[in-house]
Amino acid sequence: EDKVVQSPLSLVVHEGDTVTLNCSYEVTNFRSLLWYKQEKKAPTFLFMLTSSGIEKKSGRLSSILDKKELFSILNITATQTGDSAVYLCAVRGPGGTSYGKLTFGQGTILTVHP
Amino acid sequence: EAQVTQNPRYLITVTGKKLTVTCSQNMNHEYMSWYRQDPGLGLRQIYYSMNVEVTDKGDVPEGYKVSRKEKRNFPLILESPSPNQTSLYFCASSFKLGEFYEQYFGPGTRLTVT
Repeated sequence: EDKVVQSPLSLVVHEGDTVTLNCSYEVTNFRSLLWYKQEKKAPTFLFMLTSSGIEKKSGRLSSILDKKELFSILNITATQTGDSAVYLCAVRGPGGTSYGKLTFGQGTILTVHP
Repeated sequence: EAQVTQNPRYLITVTGKKLTVTCSQNMNHEYMSWYRQDPGLGLRQIYYSMNVEVTDKGDVPEGYKVSRKEKRNFPLILESPSPNQTSLYFCASSFKLGEFYEQYFGPGTRLTVT
């Protein structure tokens, strides 16, 4: 059974801190790993990673994948209160006759205090 | 405006009364998917569809049905809802499921089965 585990489950920091969120996975025939941010509504896409060791970056957010050790990290530097959200990791693997199955982790709740 | 719409947004129903939650996208996306989100469990995929008439099970398909008769619509059917199907449901779509195509989520449907 495919499995995605995120850590920590919850994190409280102050503005300006740097945080690292972790996602480890066990998925048969891994295809890609995705990060989403969820505030009080639907998740919004952050990154999709398919290749090991290549960092993806968007502003203060960056992510990297290690396919050998089966994990990814999401870094947020100089955190702001607007970064407060649930961060979700999902891994795409085979499902049935296609590769459309996505398995999500339970999420990391990030709270940034002023 | 490019979007994924779901209806209804909120629904309270009774055990055993068949219901359908509609999902529609106006972006000509091939891939569509349904998820449920429960506290502490993250997002779990129910069913997905790679294209018209092509559907497959996700992690938690029991008690649900889907159909994909046309590209824009992907309804979720609960033939005999039970209280354990009380949850927040998200529909999502993407052009394809590949490295360069992000997944867009609908606004969510909060279902309560009494």
